[in-house]
Amino acid sequence: DVKVTQSSRYLVKRTGEKVFLECVQDMDHENMFWYRQDPGLGLRLIYFSYDVKMKEKGDIPEGYSVSREKKERFSLILESASTNQTSMYLCASSTTGPTSGANVLTFGAGSRLTVL
Amino acid sequence: AQRVTQPEKLLSVFKGAPVELKCNYSYSGSPELFWYVQYSRQRLQLLLRHISRESIKGFTADLNKGETSFHLKKPFAQEEDSAMYYCALSGLGGRRALTFGSGTRLQVQP
Repeated sequence: DVKVTQSSRYLVKRTGEKVFLECVQDMDHENMFWYRQDPGLGLRLIYFSYDVKMKEKGDIPEGYSVSREKKERFSLILESASTNQTSMYLCASSTTGPTSGANVLTFGAGSRLTVL
Repeated sequence: AQRVTQPEKLLSVFKGAPVELKCNYSYSGSPELFWYVQYSRQRLQLLLRHISRESIKGFTADLNKGETSFHLKKPFAQEEDSAMYYCALSGLGGRRALTFGSGTRLQVQP
């Protein structure tokens, strides 16, 4: 019962290429997030979204953009990939309602991007 | 600004030994604290959160506001506890995104 699906598990791209990472959730969650996970640095927030067409910068938004045209889908875009963007990218979603699961992140399996 | 510090990159213990994974935080308001775990080849998942005040897989964590800590403890480690553990913070009433620490890898040796 996969609930957060990231379209690509492994990608290899060249410097300067445009990269799209797609994420879909089926839990009707309002909030969606993109993190990157690097050894020794943990998870760092790139962008998040509270609602359709809304987005907010996280801690490391430089070099990235996002799109949320539908509630269930949140895309991360690297306009011009660089080698320092080689990383594991994690998508997550959460709800903010008055439920026991509020504010708990459900993560996707991750997308490992290598930029050559 | 909110920050989470996990001072240990690696913690290695023997099976049956007690475990304490340290987590300290910095936040000016009232935080909500979480522990997430990632087992080998699995997704990151919630282990426990402080508002639930429950024990999961034998792990407990108590929020100490005076020391701004949320250490994760287990009295007797098992080999299946070997994983990467992340402490995370959410500012209640603030942004809904979690701030994560750098993680601690727990190795439980037989």
